[in-house]
Amino acid sequence: GAVVSQHPSRVICKSGTSVKIECRSLDFQATTMFWYRQFPKQSLMLMATSNEGSKATYEQGVEKDKFLINHASLTLSTLTVTSAHPEDSSFYICSARDDSYYSEQFFGPGTRLTVL
Amino acid sequence: QKEVEQDPGPLSVPEGAIVSLNCTYSNSAFQYFMWYRQYSRKGPELLMYTYSSGNKEDGRFTAQVDKSSKYISLFIRDSQPSDSATYLCAMRRDSGAGSYQLTFGKGTKLSVIP
Repeated sequence: GAVVSQHPSRVICKSGTSVKIECRSLDFQATTMFWYRQFPKQSLMLMATSNEGSKATYEQGVEKDKFLINHASLTLSTLTVTSAHPEDSSFYICSARDDSYYSEQFFGPGTRLTVL
Repeated sequence: QKEVEQDPGPLSVPEGAIVSLNCTYSNSAFQYFMWYRQYSRKGPELLMYTYSSGNKEDGRFTAQVDKSSKYISLFIRDSQPSDSATYLCAMRRDSGAGSYQLTFGKGTKLSVIP
């Protein structure tokens, strides 16, 4: 089946630093990837839609300058949390849309970010 | 009213029981319906995908869609402790801007007790 990886799986950083999270589709090409945020006991909240070769589309309320998204190839999208603060601590999950499989999304294992 | 409503539970059942999980939605533009299973601290895993009203079966899992009532269900037969997870319903539109974006329910936490 379609496999999506995320790296790192867990990261702890100091307040004010930037953190980059990678999302890769391992066995399929993904024109579109999505970035979600999930708080404890809550559902997934879509942050942005990442399209290969073009600018990401951010959901209302998500700061573009804080959450930088780059989708430079058909198998890789990155999310950079800039100048992270404790309130950015969360579980970040990416998904990739496989055009050959009913266009549905396959999710990565998630990255737990803790900002001290 | 939220677009997708799902009872968060928690739901606790004995091993071997039949589990029924449900979601209702308000947006008639939703045409594709999915069920995801999410284990603690993991990403969601696609379990079932349906388009038409009716039933779709895959092993111990049956997905049911009733578009006229805007109601979807996931049934798990012969539930196992390994089925203990959070189950998320998700749905999306057929076409138009943002049609690939999923709208999720809150998720139902299921525990199957041995």
